[in-house]
Amino acid sequence: DVKVTQSSRYLVKRTGEKVFLECVQDMDHENMFWYRQDPGLGLRLIYFSYDVKMKEKGDIPEGYSVSREKKERFSLILESASTNQTSMYLCASRGPKGVEQYFGPGTRLTVT
Amino acid sequence: AQKVTQAQTEISVVEKEDVTLDCVYETRDTTYYLFWYKQPPSGELVFLIRRNSFDEQNEISGRYSWNFQKSTSSFNFTITASQVVDSAVYFCALSEAISGGYNKLIFGAGTRLAVHP
Repeated sequence: DVKVTQSSRYLVKRTGEKVFLECVQDMDHENMFWYRQDPGLGLRLIYFSYDVKMKEKGDIPEGYSVSREKKERFSLILESASTNQTSMYLCASRGPKGVEQYFGPGTRLTVT
Repeated sequence: AQKVTQAQTEISVVEKEDVTLDCVYETRDTTYYLFWYKQPPSGELVFLIRRNSFDEQNEISGRYSWNFQKSTSSFNFTITASQVVDSAVYFCALSEAISGGYNKLIFGAGTRLAVHP
């Protein structure tokens, strides 16, 4: 079974702080994704990575950056957290021949 | 533009009732995939099913069944004899081809299903 883990389930940060959200998958998947989930909007893609050190912007990349130094790890960075980044963040991975994505448990981030 | 619409925001049923979750999609692609995911209160999205655009056969898995109709661009999900454990948010998603041969998922807004004892 694919296992995707995220470093925190709940996180509270202050406005202006730098925030790191970590995601690790154990299936040697090439593709990894970061989404945010907001009520009434479903999941929206922030960034994705199709290989180590490669990254592509998704639909809402503003205010975020990512890092993929190792195949199993994909980090989402909020350079200067703002209250409108309060949300549920979900990480996913996908193998080279797969189509479906496998998700982690999510991190609920609150920025005060 | 690619789009997935789940018109039902919330559905409430009593245990053992049948319930259908609607999903309507828009796409320019001739080859695409459709998905259903379940998000229980724990938060993790659980993959339920994937459907290829060339395969319109309905699928049944236990109490779950899916009806894919290209003519109406719909991919509906039915739970028969619902149970309290079915309470969750359900997402329908569509694959969208992007540059480089990759694809990404376009999600609907989700339908929250509450099954009461």
